[in-house]
Amino acid sequence: KAGVTQTPRYLIKTRGQQVTLSCSPISGHRSVSWYQQTPGQGLQFLFEYFSETQRNKGNFPGRFSGRQFSNSRSEMNVSTLELGDSALYLCASSLIRNTGELFFGEGSRLTVL
Amino acid sequence: DQQVKQNSPSLSVQEGRISILNCDYTNSMFDYFLWYKKYPAEGPTFLISISSIKDKNEDGRFTVFLNKSAKHLSLHIVPSQPGDSAVYFCAASWGNTPLVFGKGTRLSVIA
Repeated sequence: KAGVTQTPRYLIKTRGQQVTLSCSPISGHRSVSWYQQTPGQGLQFLFEYFSETQRNKGNFPGRFSGRQFSNSRSEMNVSTLELGDSALYLCASSLIRNTGELFFGEGSRLTVL
Repeated sequence: DQQVKQNSPSLSVQEGRISILNCDYTNSMFDYFLWYKKYPAEGPTFLISISSIKDKNEDGRFTVFLNKSAKHLSLHIVPSQPGDSAVYFCAASWGNTPLVFGKGTRLSVIA
């Protein structure tokens, strides 16, 4: 069974640009969550999607957005990039909402110059 | 406001000894607690969980203890192995709220 797949794995952008990250959940999983990991800050929740609807949103500015498609694949977008957006962005999927046990992808490491 | 706290950024333990990783939480609504392990360049992987109706859960070398009155949980690894060297994250949730993670503890098991 394939795991959670995130693309791209690494990317470099400059301030002011925008970026789109993609996540393909485990087959059959309908819930997708996104987390930001930065040194010293742990994993900060961005948003959760279930059945194409955003169910929860973390405390991030509106520059951070996401969506989920009918096949459960999800994308997140960050517009007007800032240096502080440099982080590892992790996607996680689960079969149903809030089972607690999330299956994480390897992450997309974004560097903003 | 940090609801889940892991106050030790790092921990070093000799191979074969016990590793004890600690986690404190402030939100009394939390009723489900998990530990995740993360190796460099990989995503976190689920390790063990515990519901608030229990005070202990064991899985092989890993045991999680929950003290609700103290709002404290701990992960015990016995015996510790070099392959256990990783960053360990404590997480908590309740209802339909998303998992809240601590900042992690880096465990180094020295051979």
